[in-house]
Amino acid sequence: DGGITQSPKYLFRKEGQNVTLSCEQNLNHDAMYWYRQDPGQGLRLIYYSQIVNDFQKGDIAEGYSVSREKKESFPLTVTSAQKNPTAFYLCASTRGLAGASGNNEQFFGPGTRLTVL
Amino acid sequence: QKEVEQNSGPLSVPEGAIASLNCTYSDRGSQSFFWYRQYSGKSPELIMSIYSNGDKEDGRFTAQLNKASQYVSLLIRDSQPSDSATYLCAVLKAAGNKLTFGGGTRVLVKP
Repeated sequence: DGGITQSPKYLFRKEGQNVTLSCEQNLNHDAMYWYRQDPGQGLRLIYYSQIVNDFQKGDIAEGYSVSREKKESFPLTVTSAQKNPTAFYLCASTRGLAGASGNNEQFFGPGTRLTVL
Repeated sequence: QKEVEQNSGPLSVPEGAIASLNCTYSDRGSQSFFWYRQYSGKSPELIMSIYSNGDKEDGRFTAQLNKASQYVSLLIRDSQPSDSATYLCAVLKAAGNKLTFGGGTRVLVKP
């Protein structure tokens, strides 16, 4: 059963804590992405990675960190430096490099809802 | 001006009618365009992709692209209550490897 999994589904963080959100895909996709969605808003890109051991900052990378040690895994750490982390976090992947027609359809995992207590 | 703009709605349509959603974008060199459906509390689901000018039909959905006017639209024919959701427009710019999303249009289909 191919797809993208994210865990946990719900996560609660105390102020000052770092937390790590998991994203795994078994689609053999090259590129992976992390987005943040706030209530009633569109998606904003945090980080993305097009190849193992390489990643780029998106539009709102401050207070977040990522790693891409394996093709199928792209965990996101929300650090204590992120002042307003409560949001819905979405992981996505594409088969190949964006810009190549047919390779750039992006598919999403089920999301992790993070709440700061 | 936002890079990708959508009317936030809600767009209210009676069951069986056609829902028409519009999206405009600012980067004239944009190459690829996508429509996602997002139910409340769930993640976005890809429903249409379109790459060239004209219409593309898939079941009850039709995507229309006009690069000269920089807009892409989505038509939902024979709207059903299950179509009630937020529809997100996403655009891949010419010089980049990432999608830019609009804020979404909320659609309500009333029985």
